[in-house]
Amino acid sequence: GQNIDQPTEMTATEGAIVQINCTYQTSGFNGLFWYQQHAGEAPTFLSYNVLDGLEEKGRFSSFLSRSKGYSYLLLKELQMKDSASYPCAVMDSNYQLIWGAGTKLIIKP
Amino acid sequence: GAVVSQHPSWVICKSGTSVKIECRSLDFQATTMFWYRQFPKQSLMLMATSNEGSKATYEQGVEKDKFLINHASLTLSTLTVTSAHPEDSSFYICSAREGDVTDTQYFGPGTRLTVL
Repeated sequence: GQNIDQPTEMTATEGAIVQINCTYQTSGFNGLFWYQQHAGEAPTFLSYNVLDGLEEKGRFSSFLSRSKGYSYLLLKELQMKDSASYPCAVMDSNYQLIWGAGTKLIIKP
Repeated sequence: GAVVSQHPSWVICKSGTSVKIECRSLDFQATTMFWYRQFPKQSLMLMATSNEGSKATYEQGVEKDKFLINHASLTLSTLTVTSAHPEDSSFYICSAREGDVTDTQYFGPGTRLTVL
């Protein structure tokens, strides 16, 4: 079956760095997405990885290893507004999105 | 974990026809369901929010007569694209939530609509 795993909840301190992991087992792979979702709002696109390696975009970076079925989202210089859920999603061979349940990130002062 | 399914996964239709997309919560009761539209590598655009048994709330700029939403039961919501045109071609994603706004939204796999 197809499966996406990511931690349910993480806590970090303002100004610190946090890494949110996502492992996947899917039938085929056409890219991995990271989103940010604040409660009650639509998910915001953060990144898309289809090749191995690190993609950096400001305070956010995303890494992909296709051979390991693994990705992480790295958030630097954490701010209180970064408190949100971070779901990852993989597009499979049928171009269907397989969603992780999201990691709830709590930022403390 | 909670599962949300969509049917069909992809559909191709002629311009002017109507297409119905189903969204089901398989192992929980969804008091609220959401319909999104996604363009490549862009954020999901919320189209409408529906609560079981009541009329959907549409976001600004979304034509309610064109995108008909029915949330007839706690496990099923449907989106009907009426008189579809090529510009309606997109990836439509639904999500479902069991409780209040603090509860997790579970997303469906999406339906790819292509209008010729």
